[in-house]
Amino acid sequence: EVQLVESGGGLVQPGRSLRLSCAASGFKFDDYAMHWVRQGPGKGLEWVSGLSWNSGSLGYGDSVKGRFTISRDNAKNSLYLQMNSLRTEDTALYYCVRGPPLVTTILYNWFDPWGQGTLVTVSS
Amino acid sequence: DIQMTQSPSSLSASVGDRVTIICRASQSTNNYLNWYQQRPGKAPRLLIYAANTLQSGVPSRFSGSGSGTDFTLTISSLQPEDFATYYCQQSYGIPQTFGQGTKLEIK
Repeated sequence: EVQLVESGGGLVQPGRSLRLSCAASGFKFDDYAMHWVRQGPGKGLEWVSGLSWNSGSLGYGDSVKGRFTISRDNAKNSLYLQMNSLRTEDTALYYCVRGPPLVTTILYNWFDPWGQGTLVTVSS
Repeated sequence: DIQMTQSPSSLSASVGDRVTIICRASQSTNNYLNWYQQRPGKAPRLLIYAANTLQSGVPSRFSGSGSGTDFTLTISSLQPEDFATYYCQQSYGIPQTFGQGTKLEIK
């Protein structure tokens, strides 16, 4: 069974940092692009960042560029999101999502499946 | 950035109805347009990718069409489990962007 399990969320003060992790299982992790998508409380979906299977293609949403860094460890079947200089507007449920197989770009992707998410709350 | 606009934002319908949701992009997405369903308290689920390809395991009452900047998601005969929020998403440009969502409610 394909599974994506996020962890690392929590309550953090504005300006501080947090690192999210996503543990993947049930598929060949290093064949797939991976992404982070977030959803603020009562709001819609926002693409945060994506990374190709070999880390050769990556990108960020405008609101997180320069503050967040995506990375992966294919040996550990894991995806990460380092979040620095957090703002109150970063408060959201962060989903780890899988792109399609055997593509070398984060473009032209679709997201399936989705993890259950990890909640990040930025507040003083 | 490519802006995605869905209409309507909310919709009331009955079981058995045929429903169409529209998604319009601010520029061509070259048909890199996906649709997701999100039930309350659940993670989103992929329904349609590349404008008109049904994801494995998704009922055939769901279909997608369109090209360029204008796309539609159609549910041919609503079932009780279809009442949810639907999102379109383009993956042609960075940043990838979602529509604001269409909430489908029971009439």
